[in-house]
This record gives sequence, C-alpha cells and structure tokens, in this order.
Amino acid sequence: EDQVTQSPEALRLQEGESSSLNCSYTVSGLRGLFWYRQDPGKGPEFLFTLYSAGEEKEKERLKATLTKKESFLHITAPKPEDSATYLCAAGAYSSASKIIFGSGTRLSIRP
Amino acid sequence: DTGVSQDPRHKITKRGQNVTFRCDPISEHNRLYWYRQTLGQGPEFLTYFQNEAQLEKSRLLSDRFSAERPKGSFSTLEIQRTEQGDSAMYLCASSASTSGGAETQYFGPGTRLLVL
Repeated sequence: EDQVTQSPEALRLQEGESSSLNCSYTVSGLRGLFWYRQDPGKGPEFLFTLYSAGEEKEKERLKATLTKKESFLHITAPKPEDSATYLCAAGAYSSASKIIFGSGTRLSIRP
Repeated sequence: DTGVSQDPRHKITKRGQNVTFRCDPISEHNRLYWYRQTLGQGPEFLTYFQNEAQLEKSRLLSDRFSAERPKGSFSTLEIQRTEQGDSAMYLCASSASTSGGAETQYFGPGTRLLVL
C-alpha cells in the first residue's frame, strides 16, 4: 500500500537554528514528490515538486532534496514566520490523480 | 487573486442535516480534487474530476457524499444526513493535466465543517 511518513511530528527551534524535516515514502512508482506549507486554519500552500532522485530545489531559506526512498526539507537560519506545518505528499503510478499526504511536521521557531 | 476559492469558509450544522460546499478552481485548470483533513492529519483524497467527468472516488466517500462538476468549471460537494464524524476541513484543489509526472495541485482555503 502506498504510504508517506513524516518525522518528527513536531520540532521547536531557536531562530537561526538550522534543521531538516524528513519524509519517507513507499509508493508503487513515484510520479512526483510535493512539499506544502500549511498555516493554522488555511489550505496547504505549494512549495516544491521533485520528480527524480538527486533533484534539489530551493526557495529562500528552504531547500528540498529527493532520494529513492526519502525527501528532506532543509531549513537554514529559520525565522519565526517560518513557523507552520510542513506537509509532504507523493504521487504514485497506481493513481493518475490523487497524491498521498503524510501527517506533517509542526515547526515552531522561537525568537 | 485567481487562486482556488471555496465557499463557505465555515459551516456549523446539526446532525442529520444536509450541507453543500462550492469550489471554484483556477480558471485554466481542467482537474479538480476534493480532500478531507482532520486535526493533526494530512489531507485525505476523496474524489477527482477531469473536466466534468468524475474519474476516481476514494472508499472514504460513503453513499452520503456526492460531488458534481456540471460544466467542467466549479464543483459542489454535498453531504447528506451529516454525522458528527463528518466534522473536518474540506479542501478543494485544482491542477492542469500534463503528460508524464504528477502535476502540482493548488489548494483553496478550505471549508471547516462542524456537526453538532
């Protein structure tokens, strides 16, 4: 069964303290790996799409990387406004449409 | 703003009542998705349309749930005889179909449903 697992569930960092969020996926043929940011009470906001192992994408303080089994979201020198839940999702060849989400990592950045 | 919009943003209803939610996708997107999200969990896929055709439904979508996209533009999700377990955030997303890899889905702000 296709599955996406994120760790840790929650992460508290001091402002400026860099870290990484993990997304492990087990899907029957990866069609795409997605990262979203979600603020409380709002819909997920798209960040990155990765398609093949070795691919990397960056946006401001965030960098997403992809291997054959995992993806990492690296956050460098975070600021309090980076506090949010970060969701990882995988698209599999078993479905032409749906993407399977992990439960997310709640990131809190203390000033 | 030409993003995905959803209406209403919040809905409180009594158990047993019917509710209907609306989603307006990004105008050039031909694919539309509905998801459900409960507290502390990621969104779960409910159903998907390509233009006006409903092509996939999750087993989570019980007989009390029905979705339509009559003209291939906006979509509605109706829940009949609501139950307390239906309380959740209902998210709509849209995408433009591409050949090859999975296309990016863009989400709306969601409709938060509370069933009393």
